[in-house]
Amino acid sequence: EAGVAQSPRYKIIEKRQSVAFWCNPISGHATLYWYQQILGQGPKLLIQFQNNGVVDDSQLPKDRFSAERLKGVDSTLKIQPAKLEDSAVYLCASSRAGDETQYFGPGTRLLVL
Amino acid sequence: QKEVEQDPGPLSVPEGAIVSLNCTYSNSAFQYFMWYRQYSRKGPELLMYTYSSGNKEDGRFTAQVDKSSKYISLFIRDSQPSDSATYLCAMRSRTGRRALTFGSGTRLQVQP
Repeated sequence: EAGVAQSPRYKIIEKRQSVAFWCNPISGHATLYWYQQILGQGPKLLIQFQNNGVVDDSQLPKDRFSAERLKGVDSTLKIQPAKLEDSAVYLCASSRAGDETQYFGPGTRLLVL
Repeated sequence: QKEVEQDPGPLSVPEGAIVSLNCTYSNSAFQYFMWYRQYSRKGPELLMYTYSSGNKEDGRFTAQVDKSSKYISLFIRDSQPSDSATYLCAMRSRTGRRALTFGSGTRLQVQP
């Protein structure tokens, strides 16, 4: 079974620029999560999708972050415009509907200069 | 005060030692408790999952939950150099907002 795929693996941008991350979950997993992990901290949930509907986006900074999951499969997370404090690893995870086990991708490491 | 507190370490032990990793939490609504292992530059992977109080054992790993003290532990027996990683506790409520709340992680180094 292929794991969660994410791209790019690394991204360096300047503040006020835009950036987008892509995630392909494990086949058949209805639930998809985006987390932000700042250095030295645990992951923080940004948004959770069930199929292509949003379940929880209470911690997503909606003035600059957006996410979509078209057709209930792949997902993209966008930051526009980026701030210095957005420097972090952005992790995508997926799970079967109703299953506690989340499978994480390798993450995208973002550095905002 | 953070909802979940975890000592960042690093914790350095010799190979074969018993390792104890701990988290405390403040939200009494938390009912589901997990331990994740995260190797450097990788995503977390689920190690143990426990519902409510009690113990759960899986091979060299034992998870304990003491809800009265709001304290959870992960024990690793016969630790191996391959266990060197960051260990994250995570927990969530049964109702209401069900997102996981993670601790900040404890970095473990097992010396050969």
